[in-house]
Amino acid sequence: NFMLTQPHSVSESPGKTVTISCTRSSGSIASNYVQWYQQRPGSSPTTVIYEDNQRPSGVPDRFSGSIDSSSNSASLTISGLKTEDEADYYCQSYDSSNQVFGGGTKLTVL
Amino acid sequence: EVQLVESGGGLVKPGGSLRLSCAASGFTFSSYSMNWVRQAPGKGLEWVSSISSSSSYIYYADSVKGRFTISRDNAKNSLYLQMNSLRAEDTAVYYCARGLTTGGSPDYWGQGTLVTVSS
Repeated sequence: NFMLTQPHSVSESPGKTVTISCTRSSGSIASNYVQWYQQRPGSSPTTVIYEDNQRPSGVPDRFSGSIDSSSNSASLTISGLKTEDEADYYCQSYDSSNQVFGGGTKLTVL
Repeated sequence: EVQLVESGGGLVKPGGSLRLSCAASGFTFSSYSMNWVRQAPGKGLEWVSSISSSSSYIYYADSVKGRFTISRDNAKNSLYLQMNSLRAEDTAVYYCARGLTTGGSPDYWGQGTLVTVSS
């Protein structure tokens, strides 16, 4: 099994741009799609990015996803930060028989 | 609108059993794989189990293999998780989540049901 490693926390000011990384420990990041979930306190997770870079309907285009094979990592970028973006963010991917979540990143918007 | 409603959580003693249910609506349940994902208090998300649309493929995390059983009833639009030999470390909110058609990763999530294993 592989692991997905995220920074524990990031912080940025409103209106700025923040990028959260997600590094795959083994196997190619490009071999299986990466998803990103947002979880606000006391709420269930919601999908903000699926299939590496696709946004579900209703998710603002301030959210974007990408993968970088050279660093074997995926990234979630949030531009024009709003206080409502403050939440935990989880990356996720899979292999033939497992779904794997990153440890989560707490985003503080201050 | 996709809706997933979990039920069946509660307080159970170590070694005990519990059966979780998830009622699905707003989509063609029989066409999608389904997942159970849990979150211990103050911790991150942990995948528990997945089942394909026709129940042909079933997978478990190593932490629950041999103790938990996932199943579904497409006629009733329902997903289940039978949990046996429960341990304190199984204490968590358990989420039912629909699987994407590509790879089965969760896309829609339920509100979760809390399972507490304690004597």
